[in-house]
Amino acid sequence: GEDVEQSLFLSVREGDSSVINCTYTDSSSTYLYWYKQEPGAGLQLLTYIFSNMDMKQDQRLTVLLNKKDKHLSLRIADTQTGDSAIYFCAEIPSGAGSYQLTFGKGTKLSVIP
Amino acid sequence: NAGVTQTPKFQVLKTGQSMTLQCAQDMNHEYMSWYRQDPGMGLRLIHYSVGAGITDQGEVPNGYNVSRSTTEDFPLRLLSAAPSQTSVYFCASSYSPSGDSDTQYFGPGTRLTVL
Repeated sequence: GEDVEQSLFLSVREGDSSVINCTYTDSSSTYLYWYKQEPGAGLQLLTYIFSNMDMKQDQRLTVLLNKKDKHLSLRIADTQTGDSAIYFCAEIPSGAGSYQLTFGKGTKLSVIP
Repeated sequence: NAGVTQTPKFQVLKTGQSMTLQCAQDMNHEYMSWYRQDPGMGLRLIHYSVGAGITDQGEVPNGYNVSRSTTEDFPLRLLSAAPSQTSVYFCASSYSPSGDSDTQYFGPGTRLTVL
């Protein structure tokens, strides 16, 4: 199957920017997603980017997509303690639909006050 | 809209017992999926459905059955529970033909422990 890779941990100070990176293997992916999971909760869709875009900005969130390197990143500006969570990168594999996301293992973001 | 709901929130089973995890959505979504989440493994797809009466296997289907008799409901059945099925189970739905996006919405999860 296709693999989505993420680093497992990231620690930042409150007020700094956080950058969470992801690499994927399916160059035919149409959509790429970022989900947030707070402790004991389900997954909350943060943002997504269509494969024909290089960048998408939504308030404090900036998503960058480098299709050549199959690299996706999520930047959180002015990181707050409420941003502490696990962040999952996900893609729809080639030939699949949105019923069949492939997830990375998640990056646990810890924000130091 | 309630979104995606799951019951129960917590369950403890003994090895060999069977049970059904319930999932319902009120967004008129065509697609529904079941995932399991294990520490350090991310989410893995168990089964999915692209519409009422249509189901298919995902990455880790063994030991689980599903059915989709209505658009709203997508129950997951554990036939004979095993300790390896201890996990957090998430149901998700997506795609409304009348909608303009195709993103998955997740339920709050069911934490299952098999002793």
